[in-house]
Amino acid sequence: LAKTTQPISMDSYEGQEVNITCSHNNIATNDYITWYQQFPSQGPRFIIQGYKTKVTNEVASLFIPADRKSSTLSLPRVSLSDTAVYYCLVGDMNTGGFKTIFGAGTRLFVKA
Amino acid sequence: GAVVSQHPSRVICKSGTSVKIECRSLDFQATTMFWYRQFPKQSLMLMATSNEGSKATYEQGVEKDKFLINHASLTLSTLTVTSAHPEDSSFYICSARMGGGNGELFFGEGSRLTVL
Repeated sequence: LAKTTQPISMDSYEGQEVNITCSHNNIATNDYITWYQQFPSQGPRFIIQGYKTKVTNEVASLFIPADRKSSTLSLPRVSLSDTAVYYCLVGDMNTGGFKTIFGAGTRLFVKA
Repeated sequence: GAVVSQHPSRVICKSGTSVKIECRSLDFQATTMFWYRQFPKQSLMLMATSNEGSKATYEQGVEKDKFLINHASLTLSTLTVTSAHPEDSSFYICSARMGGGNGELFFGEGSRLTVL
């Protein structure tokens, strides 16, 4: 299983763009990269998923370099409500035995 | 998006009793469900993988006789904490994986167990 490494915490201000990078040096060929957001006392919520290059949806962008050994979650113009813990997961989503092993996550704190 | 519901969201019990937590996929069939526990300020720890119609696969260090998992149908998995003790107090979260497609995971709201 690919292990992930993220910064423990990040601070930002409202309106800024936030980039959270995740390292996954031993990512396998069939692995996808998925990011989740978790608020206190709630289950994680899916943000975005990608395999390579760039993926964008209504809430975030995901940048994945050619070697796929890292990925960057980009949150445009954060607000106070984006204060949460962000997790990146790496795994083969199409395999029945895929496990969801969470790393430590990044605690983002958005200030006014 | 797909919805996964957990029940109860909060439960308080006395030491020595057993508590059952349900995880339901409301609008899709889940071939695989996962159970996690999360202590304050910590990440989710995978406890076991539950496949419909077969025995759950437990992670190393998780007592299968203490944390009973049953996945009797494609929409329901249950976690029973047997003979609960205060150290079992935690936030328990389930996730369900939709069969086929990109295998996206959907998480329940979590269940907070407090053992007195």
